[in-house]
Amino acid sequence: DAMVIQNPRYQVTQFGKPVTLSCSQTLNHNVMYWYQQKSSQAPKLLFHYYDKDFNNEADTPDNFQSRRPNTSFCFLDIRSPGLGDAAMYLCATSTQLSVSSYEQYFGPGTRLTVT
Amino acid sequence: KNEVEQSPQNLTAQEGEFITINCSYSVGISALHWLQQHPGGGIVSLFMLSSGKKKHGRLIATINIQEKHSSLHITASHPRDSAVYICAVTMNRDDKIIFGKGTRLHILP
Repeated sequence: DAMVIQNPRYQVTQFGKPVTLSCSQTLNHNVMYWYQQKSSQAPKLLFHYYDKDFNNEADTPDNFQSRRPNTSFCFLDIRSPGLGDAAMYLCATSTQLSVSSYEQYFGPGTRLTVT
Repeated sequence: KNEVEQSPQNLTAQEGEFITINCSYSVGISALHWLQQHPGGGIVSLFMLSSGKKKHGRLIATINIQEKHSSLHITASHPRDSAVYICAVTMNRDDKIIFGKGTRLHILP
């Protein structure tokens, strides 16, 4: 059963039209991450939540926002998508089970196309 | 210098060959991940390691914590194994994940 779900898997939006990507988890993990992966590049961290604490990367554009209304859901909002925002967006979750045990899962990603 | 280095960047092999992809890292980690990404596709998590060795079908992953090195092996490779294989580490200081640039594997029939 999928434990980190991203919807939709493929999203097409128009230049400048706000878009929201969704990530949900059934794991009750306290940390959730959003990554952007452009073609042939390694994924780049945009931000992450540690419980309700939001941690933004210094170079994440203001155009990208995130919400985590509860433990299970995390949203990525792109306020005014530009052509350069076309990418794969990956969600991941993690939790420290014990001092020596750590659990992490990745979602399948949402591929965003901007027209 | 990247904190996670993979080698080789590209690898082409014949069907049936034994494949090894290497990953070295320079930071303290909680865990190391091997991920698979097919062209245009999403990411599939293959292994999460914090020590030792794991095996799943034809895939084997090992990690040497002292040497800060991990390898992913594919036995009896098949054209459907063609994909990008990504090594990623979770840093133990802040839980952030750092990704390697990936190894593009192409298995010829």
